[in-house]
Amino acid sequence: DVKVTQSSRYLVKRTGEKVFLECVQDMDHENMFWYRQDPGLGLRLIYFSYDVKMKEKGDIPEGYSVSREKKERFSLILESASTNQTSMYLCASSQTRDRGRETQYFGPGTRLLVL
Amino acid sequence: KQEVTQIPAALSVPEGENLVLNCSFTDSAIYNLQWFRQDPGKGLTSLLLIQSSQREQTSGRLNASLDKSSGRSTLYIAASQPGDSATYLCAVKDGGFKTIFGAGTRLFVKA
Repeated sequence: DVKVTQSSRYLVKRTGEKVFLECVQDMDHENMFWYRQDPGLGLRLIYFSYDVKMKEKGDIPEGYSVSREKKERFSLILESASTNQTSMYLCASSQTRDRGRETQYFGPGTRLLVL
Repeated sequence: KQEVTQIPAALSVPEGENLVLNCSFTDSAIYNLQWFRQDPGKGLTSLLLIQSSQREQTSGRLNASLDKSSGRSTLYIAASQPGDSATYLCAVKDGGFKTIFGAGTRLFVKA
């Protein structure tokens, strides 16, 4: 079974702090994704990566950066946390062998509160 | 730009009822459509995946259909149970790397 783990389930940070969210997958997937989920808005893509050291902006990259130094690990960085970044953050991974069958596997999520 | 809409936003039904959740999408150029389940405070779990060339998929009490030409999918849940209470999300995989998600339908099954 694919396992995607996230470093924290709950996190409380202060405005202006630098925040690191870590995601690790154990299935050698090429693709990794960071989403945020807010009530009524669904999942919105922040960044994704299709290979080591490669990254692409999603729909809402402002205020975030990412790092992928190893295939299994994808980090989301909030350079200077703000209250409007309070949200549920979800990491996912997938493998592109056949686009028609491609599915994303999700981690348990990190609920971040910025005070 | 692909948009995915789910109706209703919330649904409450008595145990044992059959129910249908709806999903619509604006661009029919998709690779697949998936239905996910999300329990409160948790990540997403894939329930059913329908490839663009397929019309439906079944798993146990769940049946999902896809009509690409009309941009619609339905998730049918038979004989609902309290354990089915969760948020159900529809997602389409478009031509790039992205998967576009609907906002979800929150289902509550009353015992």
